[in-house]
Amino acid sequence: DTGVSQDPRHKITKRGQNVTFRCDPISEHNRLYWYRQTLGQGPEFLTYFQNEAQLEKSRLLSDRFSAERPKGSFSTLEIQRTEQGDSAMYLCASSSKGSDTQYFGPGTRLTVL
Amino acid sequence: GQNIDQPTEMTATEGAIVQINCTYQTSGFNGLFWYQQHAGEAPTFLSYNVLDGLEEKGRFSSFLSRSKGYSYLLLKELQMKDSASYLCAVRGSDTGGFKTIFGAGTRLFVKA
Repeated sequence: DTGVSQDPRHKITKRGQNVTFRCDPISEHNRLYWYRQTLGQGPEFLTYFQNEAQLEKSRLLSDRFSAERPKGSFSTLEIQRTEQGDSAMYLCASSSKGSDTQYFGPGTRLTVL
Repeated sequence: GQNIDQPTEMTATEGAIVQINCTYQTSGFNGLFWYQQHAGEAPTFLSYNVLDGLEEKGRFSSFLSRSKGYSYLLLKELQMKDSASYLCAVRGSDTGGFKTIFGAGTRLFVKA
């Protein structure tokens, strides 16, 4: 069990650029979550996958955000036309069917200049 | 609406006991979680309550009262390494019960 991994760990980009983050969940976990966290706040739910199906997406998420989990294993989160307000830590978590515990990855810290 | 309230900061002394409270208002209820998060690191799972009562796990205990929308995390025999943020999170039962709402966290400072 290697845990949840995320890549890259840090990303600095200019406003208006597109960025893509990757999350590899724990291998036997079929549930995958994306969160965004800013300084002094708790993680904010973005979206949820069960296997390859995206079952829920936060209403707070604009159309510039999209997530995929094409084969029910790794997931990608893309942000198009980044804005300075997108600067945050993007966390991925996974859990197994029948378990309530979410295991978090180390996060990708995004800085938009 | 959905709301989770917990104190912003608390300070306690090494070896002491501290109780971190959490109150919540959510659309349905499907479990309450406590996570620990050290600065610059990802949250790590501490406890899960879905029924009323106390769950004990070593130095950490968590209590839930669903009728009051209230939980607390109790940390005993505090150690310096317990200095961290403690996040209260609730999973609602709407939309399939997948969405987990986190509070802003309580920053605990343990002093010698």
